[in-house]
Amino acid sequence: QKEVEQNSGPLSVPEGAIASLNCTYSDRGSQSFFWYRQYSGKSPELIMSIYSNGDKEDGRFTAQLNKASQYVSLLIRDSQPSDSATYLCAVHGSSNTGKLIFGQGTTLQVKP
Amino acid sequence: ETGVTQSPTHLIKTRGQQVTLRCSSQSGHNTVSWYQQALGQGPQFIFQYYREEENGRGNFPPRFSGLQFPNYSSELNVNALELDDSALYLCASSSQGLAVQETQYFGPGTRLLVL
Repeated sequence: QKEVEQNSGPLSVPEGAIASLNCTYSDRGSQSFFWYRQYSGKSPELIMSIYSNGDKEDGRFTAQLNKASQYVSLLIRDSQPSDSATYLCAVHGSSNTGKLIFGQGTTLQVKP
Repeated sequence: ETGVTQSPTHLIKTRGQQVTLRCSSQSGHNTVSWYQQALGQGPQFIFQYYREEENGRGNFPPRFSGLQFPNYSSELNVNALELDDSALYLCASSSQGLAVQETQYFGPGTRLLVL
């Protein structure tokens, strides 16, 4: 079992729709969760961080965390073609080493 | 832009050679982490430096080494390069060192090709 799992996609949605990206993790002691966006050939860019169960909203983005189910998701409302990228879920584990554990990423395609 | 810089942007080496990659952290940040990202994969943690001391290491052989300078910039050294070392090397800086809620910001990366 991978430590952080994501569906590699591609996930294809029409412009204006809601894109839903999902991630599960195996370390029940994990305390910090992050979503990064990575355009092709570029480095990861932080979108959201979430630490507590529930929803956290920032503009068109909403992160959702359920520690009991070991599940974190990212919703993108009113998806735009510029949102087309790979979305990486990252988990800061229960150790204090500063290690972020990444999933392999989900490729999102927003079609005009 | 995160304020994290890396050099060089691209590098081509041959098997067996050694390489040094450099990273300057964002102003105010005292922690640097290094990651290796192979094509189509998520970044893999190599190690982290907090106030010039190594703070954790991923599953990488000893030929991957690093250091952090008093100004918090950092170097990643890879000896005896192998073809599988071809990847995007990412540096991330943060300001919370050992804090669980540490947020890491990535530089543009160095793309290494080993022939």
